[in-house]
Amino acid sequence: SAVISQKPSRDICQRGTSLTIQCQVDSQVTMMFWYRQQPGQSLTLIATANQGSEATYESGFVIDKFPISRPNLTFSTLTVSNMSPEDSSIYLCSVEGGRDEQYFGPGTRLTVT
Amino acid sequence: AQKVTQAQTEISVVEKEDVTLDCVYETRDTTYYLFWYKQPPSGELVFLIRRNSFDEQNEISGRYSWNFQKSTSSFNFTITASQVVDSAVYFCALFRPGGSQGNLIFGKGTKLSVKP
Repeated sequence: SAVISQKPSRDICQRGTSLTIQCQVDSQVTMMFWYRQQPGQSLTLIATANQGSEATYESGFVIDKFPISRPNLTFSTLTVSNMSPEDSSIYLCSVEGGRDEQYFGPGTRLTVT
Repeated sequence: AQKVTQAQTEISVVEKEDVTLDCVYETRDTTYYLFWYKQPPSGELVFLIRRNSFDEQNEISGRYSWNFQKSTSSFNFTITASQVVDSAVYFCALFRPGGSQGNLIFGKGTKLSVKP
């Protein structure tokens, strides 16, 4: 299994500001995923980040709002830009392990006031 | 279209009771994987099991067991002799390997409360 860490673990931000969330994996992985979990809801995929290429966004998510970087095979960042209270969620980083398993980081709890 | 349905929004049981969490999925693919994850109040997602579409054998791991029925497109999860530490939200998810992004499609989750 992969060990995934995320920073920050939680943050409270003011509307209109931006927050960058970091995801670090203890092994090299090809694909990294970013999910959002709004309060009391299930998880929704935001985008897939492959190293060396632009992230691929799911319907309803755009690069201007959620820019993603993937500078190497063990690290990725997700920025939540121009935040509003509706962005208050848990943001989770995920990677594929062997045998099509998928592991998740501990999540970043974001509250926008 | 692919979809995962967890019809039980919340379940409450008393410790030591057995409880079954239902999961029904929809897919046209012949090759796919099904997952269960546990999300305790702390928020992290804990991987519980992965089952591929060609393996319909039921699985038991301690107090946990899973019943995969392709004929009814169900992948139900049973906790035997539940404990307070089992209180969490449980998510069933569908994964299609080789899909556009290979992402997981999650059900809405079932919140399990185990009372002492």
